[in-house]
Amino acid sequence: ETGVTQSPTHLIKTRGQQVTLRCSSQSGHNTVSWYQQALGQGPQFIFQYYREEENGRGNFPPRFSGLQFPNYSSELNVNALELDDSALYLCASSLAIRALEETQYFGPGTRLLVL
Amino acid sequence: DQQVKQNSPSLSVQEGRISILNCDYTNSMFDYFLWYKKYPAEGPTFLISISSIKDKNEDGRFTVFLNKSAKHLSLHIVPSQPGDSAVYFCAASGGSGGYQKVTFGTGTKLQVIP
Repeated sequence: ETGVTQSPTHLIKTRGQQVTLRCSSQSGHNTVSWYQQALGQGPQFIFQYYREEENGRGNFPPRFSGLQFPNYSSELNVNALELDDSALYLCASSLAIRALEETQYFGPGTRLLVL
Repeated sequence: DQQVKQNSPSLSVQEGRISILNCDYTNSMFDYFLWYKKYPAEGPTFLISISSIKDKNEDGRFTVFLNKSAKHLSLHIVPSQPGDSAVYFCAASGGSGGYQKVTFGTGTKLQVIP
């Protein structure tokens, strides 16, 4: 039990639609990262938010966007969904922006299927 | 470009024996390495880590070895227990300009046979 929750657990959308995934971090964790895990792959870094601002991004297009709120919750928004967006989406929270010793705590993920 | 590679997708080990999971990386800017364990329907759970200034870190039954010259790390589990059966991800961070970007490998599924 990491204290990080995600909703919904599963979601089905059609190509071209928009989706919002939600994450609730551990209390006090000011950093949240989002990852995409395709089938048979490891998690791929999407972006990271620190104190409500994006401070790092992986190789994902701008239609992937996020928000972080003062109450330790955050959102991942994906516009114009494509079939390849089907994956498990994980959020991870941690205390610090770049303390190497700070562990990231992962939620159970949201499984998105795009038809 | 797969910067963190786990070339063995699966591994079976008898209970009580040693499990050795291997990982290779290509990015010389990585300076911190982690192992995560993942059970089905759960997110990855941090297991053990090692800084690039060390070559070994031990935590109970788990030991991680780092060979910087070979850009290789390994996770040893001794003795292996059935509860260790899970997918293990090798991960690395560093050189990302001040934020905690973690690059994961593709995972190794460990099965410990009772």
